[in-house]
Amino acid sequence: AQKITQTQPGMFVQEKEAVTLDCTYDTSDQSYGLFWYKQPSSGEMIFLIYQGSYDEQNATEGRYSLNFQKARKSANLVISASQLGDSAMYFCAMREGGDRDDKIIFGKGTRLHILP
Amino acid sequence: NAGVTQTPKFQVLKTGQSMTLQCAQDMNHEYMSWYRQDPGMGLRLIHYSVGAGITDQGEVPNGYNVSRSTTEDFPLRLLSAAPSQTSVYFCASSPVSNSNQPQHFGDGTRLSIL
Repeated sequence: AQKITQTQPGMFVQEKEAVTLDCTYDTSDQSYGLFWYKQPSSGEMIFLIYQGSYDEQNATEGRYSLNFQKARKSANLVISASQLGDSAMYFCAMREGGDRDDKIIFGKGTRLHILP
Repeated sequence: NAGVTQTPKFQVLKTGQSMTLQCAQDMNHEYMSWYRQDPGMGLRLIHYSVGAGITDQGEVPNGYNVSRSTTEDFPLRLLSAAPSQTSVYFCASSPVSNSNQPQHFGDGTRLSIL
């Protein structure tokens, strides 16, 4: 069963608008972490933001914030005031397990296109 | 500050050939992992390691072997390459498990199997 689901294969957003990229996850662990990465056309993986399962506040990093709804098992990425440089592939990832048995798995990604 | 180094960057193989994708990190990270990236499939975990001498299977381990004899190195071996293994391969590392630290990724190896 897929553990990380990103339901939006592609999105088109007007520059300067806010955008929300969806991510839902499935785990039976109480302790887990959620990550968002950006992959521009050049191919490198760029870390954006992290949310721990025990964090009470939603994570924020500059223009990025994470809308974490634990009961719904969702961890949506919000990009405020989008820029042309935000055009890229975005991946949600989850670290589950613990101690010496954890692994990190990714969703299929969302390709974001920012329109001028 | 090298980070995660993958070699080679590009490789073309014939079906049935074997090869090793190299991955080295200089950050003393315990956790290392290999992913393959295919269009529409995201990054799929092949194998991972939580420390020297310890490896485990990920989501798509068939056709691949790994070993972790040192903290720094985590090579990925294709024993008999198949066209279905044509992909971009990423190696990643991060500090101790159960951590909020993100993975550091290599630049990837683009592998084509003819």
